[in-house]
Amino acid sequence: NAGVTQTPKFRVLKTGQSMTLLCAQDMNHEYMYWYRQDPGMGLRLIHYSVGEGTTAKGEVPDGYNVSRLKKQNFLLGLESAAPSQTSVYFCASNRGINTGELFFGEGSRLTVL
Amino acid sequence: GDSVTQMEGPVTLSEEAFLTINCTYTATGYPSLFWYVQYPGEGLQLLLKATKADDKGSNKGFEATYRKETTSFHLEKGSVQVSDSAVYFCALSMGTGNQFYFGTGTSLTVIP
Repeated sequence: NAGVTQTPKFRVLKTGQSMTLLCAQDMNHEYMYWYRQDPGMGLRLIHYSVGEGTTAKGEVPDGYNVSRLKKQNFLLGLESAAPSQTSVYFCASNRGINTGELFFGEGSRLTVL
Repeated sequence: GDSVTQMEGPVTLSEEAFLTINCTYTATGYPSLFWYVQYPGEGLQLLLKATKADDKGSNKGFEATYRKETTSFHLEKGSVQVSDSAVYFCALSMGTGNQFYFGTGTSLTVIP
């Protein structure tokens, strides 16, 4: 059972470079989310999607873009990476039912030099 | 807005000690409440949940009761083990967009 898969697991970028993180889920979930985790800050929501073709901003969306062209995939893009975007990024999915839990990927550690 | 406040860590306990991690919430409606656990190098995984007032969630010896009157969802375990060493997150979810709000996490270390 794959669940939620994130690629890549690790990446080092230079300031100004761009990259895309891919999240794939095989549970036919409607909702998908991107979070970042920083020491002492817990998890903060970047963007989320309530269905194929839809996206919405979360708590900290600046500097990121997302796309949900296929139901099973949710992409997070950094157009011009900054050191402040050094973080661990988690993708999660949810069935869309109010009481449902989040299922998380293993995380992607991004370092921007 | 909706939010979760949880006890700051880190917490260090001896094996077999009693554990309490406090969590309180602020919400405009009737949220579902969750405890997630993150083991080193891994993503978060659901530990337990409660969906309405007075519900008790339990799993792996951990328990938490949804207290509407005190807006709390404290995590407890009677006898911790070394394998319980992890970071614990309290969270709530509300309806529209099914947005989840997380506490800052509490790091627990259990020593033999």
